[in-house]
Amino acid sequence: EAGVAQSPRYKIIEKRQSVAFWCNPISGHATLYWYQQILGQGPKLLIQFQNNGVVDDSQLPKDRFSAERLKGVDSTLKIQPAKLEDSAVYLCASSFTRGTGGSETQYFGPGTRLLVL
Amino acid sequence: TQLLEQSPQFLSIQEGENLTVYCNSSSVFSSLQWYRQEPGEGPVLLVTVVTGGEVKKLKRLTFQFGDARKDSSLHITAAQPGDTGLYLCAGADSGGTSYGKLTFGQGTILTVHP
Repeated sequence: EAGVAQSPRYKIIEKRQSVAFWCNPISGHATLYWYQQILGQGPKLLIQFQNNGVVDDSQLPKDRFSAERLKGVDSTLKIQPAKLEDSAVYLCASSFTRGTGGSETQYFGPGTRLLVL
Repeated sequence: TQLLEQSPQFLSIQEGENLTVYCNSSSVFSSLQWYRQEPGEGPVLLVTVVTGGEVKKLKRLTFQFGDARKDSSLHITAAQPGDTGLYLCAGADSGGTSYGKLTFGQGTILTVHP
């Protein structure tokens, strides 16, 4: 079974530029998550989709970050304009979502490492 | 806002030693998960504990969930260099639209020297 795919793996941009990340979850997984992991910290949830609907985006800085999952499969996360503090690893994860809540396994992709200069 | 505090933040030990990593919160979680993350990769789930007081063993790793479901520990017996990595605990919400949402601790970086 193929895992969660993310691209690009690395990205270096200058502040105020825009950048987009792509994620393809495990086939059949209804729920998709985007996390931000700053060096030395644990991942922080940015947005959670179930199929093509947003479940939770309470920690997404909506003035500069946007995400979509139009067909309920792959997803893109965009930052426009980028700031220095956006330098981090952006992780995508997916889960099957059986409706049992709380203890479901999330499968993570390898992440995209963003450096904003 | 639910917070999880992990300790210690860094751990450097010799092969064969035992170690314990702690994960504490003032909030109650429906379940708690432990992940291991290697450089350049995403976190990989090690175990999920659901019941207060639950103990799970995975080879040399022992995981415990506190009776009140607010804290957890990971104990590694006879650590090996292959255990090196970032260990993350994550608490799961269970209610309403938040189900599946994980709150991560800041992680413990473990280095096991041969």
